[in-house]
Amino acid sequence: NAGVTQTPKFRILKIGQSMTLQCTQDMNHNYMYWYRQDPGMGLKLIYYSVGAGITDKGEVPNGYNVSRSTTEDFPLRLELAAPSQTSVYFCAPSGYEQFFGPGTRLTVL
Amino acid sequence: AQSVTQLGSHVSVSEGALVLLRCNYSSSVPPYLFWYVQYPNQGLQLLLKYTTGATLVKGINGFEAEFKKSETSFHLTKPSAHMSDAAEYFCAVTGGNGNQFYFGTGTSLTVIP
Repeated sequence: NAGVTQTPKFRILKIGQSMTLQCTQDMNHNYMYWYRQDPGMGLKLIYYSVGAGITDKGEVPNGYNVSRSTTEDFPLRLELAAPSQTSVYFCAPSGYEQFFGPGTRLTVL
Repeated sequence: AQSVTQLGSHVSVSEGALVLLRCNYSSSVPPYLFWYVQYPNQGLQLLLKYTTGATLVKGINGFEAEFKKSETSFHLTKPSAHMSDAAEYFCAVTGGNGNQFYFGTGTSLTVIP
């Protein structure tokens, strides 16, 4: 997980609250990805970015927003949290391989 | 289009036995193939990768995988399982630098003492 920082590590939200999951990399990769992983399940792509100022939707973008103002940072925003967004979120800068952050465990109650 | 199929969502082996985790892919371009491991409550860690060249690739912790183009497979093996190998394993394919990665649904490996 070297070079990828995700904050916070854990968070509990109430339904309807909002929050931003932070992701910072120091590997200078243009491509960055956000995934969610539900218990016992694989990874689902939420959003990705091919460089500063450019983002695009993945498989499950509803309820989320992203921005990419710098190469280093790729925050993920939840505007109106719902129980269905309870998951573990991984940020992954990418070159020829993907480097995964340690994850943010989010619970929405 | 690219996709990955991992056969067997759960695999159990005895300590010291051969580990074989299966991965088949589909890709419209020459694939780059990966195996990642995820230990409980951690992120994914790269085990090994195939990009070009030798089709038998060796990774960390004694794992290796062989790219077989004719079979569109990239199975992961380890000759002798260790208790510490118990984890979730993900196979992934991409078309190259920065391209979107496609992950399998994962295989949970249990090692029985």
